[in-house]
Amino acid sequence: NAGVTQTPKFQVLKTGQSMTLQCAQDMNHNSMYWYRQDPGMGLRLIYYSASEGTTDKGEVPNGYNVSRLNKREFSLRLESAAPSQTSVYFCASLTRGSGNTIYFGEGSWLTVV
Amino acid sequence: AQSVTQLDSHVSVSEGTPVLLRCNYSSSYSPSLFWYVQHPNKGLQLLLKYTSAATLVKGINGFEAEFKKSETSFHLTKPSAHMSDAAEYFCVVSDPSGTYKYIFGTGTRLKVLA
Repeated sequence: NAGVTQTPKFQVLKTGQSMTLQCAQDMNHNSMYWYRQDPGMGLRLIYYSASEGTTDKGEVPNGYNVSRLNKREFSLRLESAAPSQTSVYFCASLTRGSGNTIYFGEGSWLTVV
Repeated sequence: AQSVTQLDSHVSVSEGTPVLLRCNYSSSYSPSLFWYVQHPNKGLQLLLKYTSAATLVKGINGFEAEFKKSETSFHLTKPSAHMSDAAEYFCVVSDPSGTYKYIFGTGTRLKVLA
């Protein structure tokens, strides 16, 4: 009964380092998303994958890349981390039908120093 | 294009009094609307959703919301606040254009006073 699982939960990076946030869902959902949450700004969409094999940019894609590895997994990569990427990152997946409800992971707290 | 505005960034109520969190939306389509709750250092949990069925939607933990097309509003209410309701609440509209993108409001932080 895991739902959407994100790793790591906490990470501190130095400016210029790279890292990958991993996300997996066990609900057989087609669509997956990466959001970032910053104080007073709600959640902003970084990238999404409407289905396996496709990815598209959201509102704030600069500085990020994604990979939809298979139907279960959707990773987010920071190639050269910047302090402006300090944020809380949420992965989500979507079931279509019954109102297209989106389910969220627990979040990944990333600090870039 | 879809957008959503949460009219209050912070709301304080006393325990046992009613809660009203306001949300207005803009949509070119018949929208799907949602309220999510986020407790500190946690992910987002779905409270309720409107998907063009009944305009009064009941959710978990005694919350409900009413879809008013004429006012383009989807306000969240609860008759009696509990301490455990203290959290941040997000109003969300989905983009039905086929991309299934979700547009989030900036959030309302609810404080419940003893």
